[in-house]
Amino acid sequence: KNQVEQSPQSLIILEGKNCTLQCNYTVSPFSNLRWYKQDTGRGPVSLTIMTFSENTKSNGRYTATLDADTKQSSLHITASQLSDSASYICVVSASNTGTASKLTFGTGTRLQVTL
Amino acid sequence: GAGVSQSPSNKVTEKGKDVELRCDPISGHTALYWYRQSLGQGLEFLIYFQGNSAPDKSGLPSDRFSAERTGGSVSTLTIQRTQQEDSAVYLCASSLAGKSNEQFFGPGTRLTVL
Repeated sequence: KNQVEQSPQSLIILEGKNCTLQCNYTVSPFSNLRWYKQDTGRGPVSLTIMTFSENTKSNGRYTATLDADTKQSSLHITASQLSDSASYICVVSASNTGTASKLTFGTGTRLQVTL
Repeated sequence: GAGVSQSPSNKVTEKGKDVELRCDPISGHTALYWYRQSLGQGLEFLIYFQGNSAPDKSGLPSDRFSAERTGGSVSTLTIQRTQQEDSAVYLCASSLAGKSNEQFFGPGTRLTVL
């Protein structure tokens, strides 16, 4: 069964600090992995997408890594800001088999950045 | 439009009533998805529309759930005889053709069934 597990479930950090969120998956055959940011009361917004051959991708202060061998990904946030407070969702896509149901969503990490 | 819009933003209904949730996708996006997000759970796929193809309904949890997409644009998700377990945020997303393309999500409709 395809699964995506994220850790920690929630995290509180001080403004300016760095943090790393983890995503482990058992989706096969693997196509790509996305990290989404979901602000409270809003829909998720894509931060990065990584395919099998990519192991690092950055988007501003966000850097995602992918280890396709161990089926792990991380999202590193540098110099956190209050606006980074949100849920971060890892989404893994199986190879295009013709149905959208092959997207597997993690339950997310709830990040709170405080003063 | 500038993004995916959904209405209403909040809906409170009584058990047993029918509800309709609306999604306006980004203009030009041929693919449209409905998801359900329950508290503490990951997004759950419900249904997928792509152009004029038959929709993928494999995620609909019961026959009380149905969706249509008229004219390849606006979509309506209907839940009949609502139950308390239907309470969740219903998210709509759209993308350009092809499921590998980025999905753009609407703000969701928070449904509460009393």
